Amino acid sequence: GEDVEQSLFLSVREGDSSVINCTYTDSSSTYLYWYKQEPGAGLQLLTYIFSNMDMKQDQRLTVLLNKKDKHLSLRIADTQTGDSAIYFCAESRPDTGRRALTFGSGTRLQVQP
Amino acid sequence: NAGVTQTPKFRVLKTGQSMTLLCAQDMNHEYMYWYRQDPGMGLRLIHYSVGEGTTAKGEVPDGYNVSRLKKQNFLLGLESAAPSQTSVYFCASSYQLAGGLYEQYFGPGTRLTVT
Repeated sequence: GEDVEQSLFLSVREGDSSVINCTYTDSSSTYLYWYKQEPGAGLQLLTYIFSNMDMKQDQRLTVLLNKKDKHLSLRIADTQTGDSAIYFCAESRPDTGRRALTFGSGTRLQVQP
Repeated sequence: NAGVTQTPKFRVLKTGQSMTLLCAQDMNHEYMYWYRQDPGMGLRLIHYSVGEGTTAKGEVPDGYNVSRLKKQNFLLGLESAAPSQTSVYFCASSYQLAGGLYEQYFGPGTRLTVT
């Protein structure tokens, strides 16, 4: 299957941690990505993780990958109002021959002051 | 570097009209992509190209054509626009790095309305 699924909406208070979740269905995924889209803009690559890794940390961002459950999460520490955006997870699967990404439908993160 | 640019930013078409969206990148990327974004549906791949002179179909290619005559440009054409093609269109480009890693860089989007 090619579905990448995410919950639609998450609301947190400024200063709290945010956790955005994603599930994917194909075990042949090689890389999994997180993108951020601010209003009226294109997508910006935040981070990615190789499928044989469990965790990757980059400043306030932590990516966790559970291959057994096909579950990916993005944790944002000390969430700020500037983090309000839509977050997309995506996967690449070279085995399909399609040299492109498959995106989830996005999670809208709202940060309340 | 301008990165990935798209023209136009906005367009309103009547049903049956044609138009071409232009994407340009100055990063010397081999791969270029066209996606459409509709509410609640994420991004869906229309067509893509892995090099100058090559194109391939994505998930939703019907009603669209593409051309990659120059490495830095990727054109998306609508020959006879339909209301179902009302959407935001994003272009992206990338290198392929090792083992299927695609760091895609996106343009700012074109908002198209077909009445």
